[in-house]
Amino acid sequence: KAGVTQTPRYLIKTRGQQVTLSCSPISGHRSVSWYQQTPGQGLQFLFEYFSETQRNKGNFPGRFSGRQFSNSRSEMNVSTLELGDSALYLCASSLNGDRSTEAFFGQGTRLTVV
Amino acid sequence: GENVEQHPSTLSVQEGDSAVIKCTYSDSASNYFPWYKQELGKGPQLIIDIRSNVGEKKDQRIAVTLNKTAKHFSLHITETQPEDSAVYFCAASSGSGTYKYIFGTGTRLKVLA
Repeated sequence: KAGVTQTPRYLIKTRGQQVTLSCSPISGHRSVSWYQQTPGQGLQFLFEYFSETQRNKGNFPGRFSGRQFSNSRSEMNVSTLELGDSALYLCASSLNGDRSTEAFFGQGTRLTVV
Repeated sequence: GENVEQHPSTLSVQEGDSAVIKCTYSDSASNYFPWYKQELGKGPQLIIDIRSNVGEKKDQRIAVTLNKTAKHFSLHITETQPEDSAVYFCAASSGSGTYKYIFGTGTRLKVLA
């Protein structure tokens, strides 16, 4: 069974630009969560989607947004990029997002803002 | 607020020795505790997990223990091998209705051949 697929793997963007990252969950999984990973802050929760609805959001500015499609694929968007947005963005897929359900991560998208 | 503390931040062991990583969580509503292994350039990989109705779980060389009263859980790796070298993260499920994990800050494990 295919794992979680994130595209692209690497991105370089300029300050002020916007970026869209994509995540395809494991087949049959309906919950997708996004995390930002940086050396200083570790893994920080961004948001979680289930059946096209955002159920939870972390403490990130409104420049970070996301959505989920009817096939459970999810995208996250960051507008007006700042240098501090450079990070590894990880998506996690789980069956229903219940807090006691296993979550499986993709390889991540490495975003560099210059 | 919600917090997971993880220790140590780095750990070096000789091949064949055991390694133990410890985590403490703050949210008494947490009921699920996964452990992830992250190798360089890869996403975190789920290696073992434990639910709050269980005190210990084992999978070959890896075991996890949970002490709900003390809000502690630990990862034990026996007979370590060079391929166990990676960063390990503990996590705790957040309170009901929030659908997220709170992660520890990671432990860099080096297994010396």
